[in-house]
Amino acid sequence: DVKVTQSSRYLVKRTGEKVFLECVQDMDHENMFWYRQDPGLGLRLIYFSYDVKMKEKGDIPEGYSVSREKKERFSLILESASTNQTSMYLCASSLAVRTGEQYFGPGTRLTVT
Amino acid sequence: DAKTTQPNSMESNEEEPVHLPCNHSTISGTDYIHWYRQLPSQGPEYVIHGLTSNVNNRMASLAIAEDRKSSTLILHRATLRDAAVYYCILRAMNRDDKIIFGKGTRLHILP
Repeated sequence: DVKVTQSSRYLVKRTGEKVFLECVQDMDHENMFWYRQDPGLGLRLIYFSYDVKMKEKGDIPEGYSVSREKKERFSLILESASTNQTSMYLCASSLAVRTGEQYFGPGTRLTVT
Repeated sequence: DAKTTQPNSMESNEEEPVHLPCNHSTISGTDYIHWYRQLPSQGPEYVIHGLTSNVNNRMASLAIAEDRKSSTLILHRATLRDAAVYYCILRAMNRDDKIIFGKGTRLHILP
């Protein structure tokens, strides 16, 4: 079974802190994604990556950056956390096929106080 | 990306079939229809996808209208564990593998 793991299920950080959210997949997938999910807004794409050291902006990249140094790991970085970044963050991965399924991790619920 | 329209919520009785509708009137000829669902406190999971013909798998069936402007996800015998938000998504056949999620349909199963 494909497994996508995220470093924390719950995280509480203070405003202005630098936050790292880690995602690891074990199926050698080329593509990896970061989404956030908020009530009433559904899932929104923040960043995605097609390959190591490559990244593309999604629909809401402001306030975030990403890093993909190894194929299996995709990190989401909040340089200076703000309260409006309190959300559920979901990582996903997929094979480099055009219509393949995406596999999601369990999510990290981040609270910024 | 072409847009999909789904009801906000639906209810069904346990052990009965459930038909979840999705409208996608602006679908293009190369768009695949995908369904994902999200159980409470979990990440989304893939359910099924199709292009033109109806599709069946162990989780569900997908019925696609002849003009492809609508589709229906069918759960043949709903259980309480099927209570989730169901997302209908169109995915184009291009290099970009990103998914645009809408708000989905929240399915409530009544015991």
